Amino acid sequence: QQPVQSPQAVILREGEDAVINCSSSKALYSVHWYRQKHGEAPVFLMILLKGGEQKGHDKISASFNEKKQQSSLYLTASQLSYSGTYFCGTEGGGSNYKLTFGKGTLLTVNP
Amino acid sequence: SQTIHQWPATLVQPVGSPLSLECTVEGTSNPNLYWYRQAAGRGLQLLFYSVGIGQISSEVPQNLSASRPQDRQFILSSKKLLLSDSGFYLCAWRRRGQTGELFFGEGSRLTVL
Repeated sequence: QQPVQSPQAVILREGEDAVINCSSSKALYSVHWYRQKHGEAPVFLMILLKGGEQKGHDKISASFNEKKQQSSLYLTASQLSYSGTYFCGTEGGGSNYKLTFGKGTLLTVNP
Repeated sequence: SQTIHQWPATLVQPVGSPLSLECTVEGTSNPNLYWYRQAAGRGLQLLFYSVGIGQISSEVPQNLSASRPQDRQFILSSKKLLLSDSGFYLCAWRRRGQTGELFFGEGSRLTVL
């Protein structure tokens, strides 16, 4: 089942912060975050595994609340290069390794 | 190092014509393979995934099919294309038995007229 992302779109000025949320109705084993520029393939940002961890990646970090089946991606002091569509992908565990993505969040960073 | 090749990059096909998109992975063995489609407003839709030769799991019942004739080859096919098959098709792989990063191909943009 497809995870639900919010918001669908967000517009920022350079230097502002943003939060993108991802939630699932099923128990999650892992959450993946990817960013896609228009016309290109998605690029991996990070993976969070069951255990309620938080990860950081320069000024982009994420949290994973296993009990609530939710993850959030935090972008701080946004840069123009952060523009793109952000996807969360979820995996429910087991041995099938099926990774299902949400509809994406379009982030636009303006000067 | 591992690489993934996907072709053709772009194609325009008439309704009712057949389709074949091919994806190969180099530099690794026994990968998990995936086909996703990206159409407007639907994000990355998982179409098929495979954990081994001849093992295909279908996520969306439609007129598409997938095959994995060799360990590192994944093919997406259709006998008769529909207008709704238009979109950006992405092949991806990741290491067998691991919850790790998905590596995507460059994508194939299909327009059905």
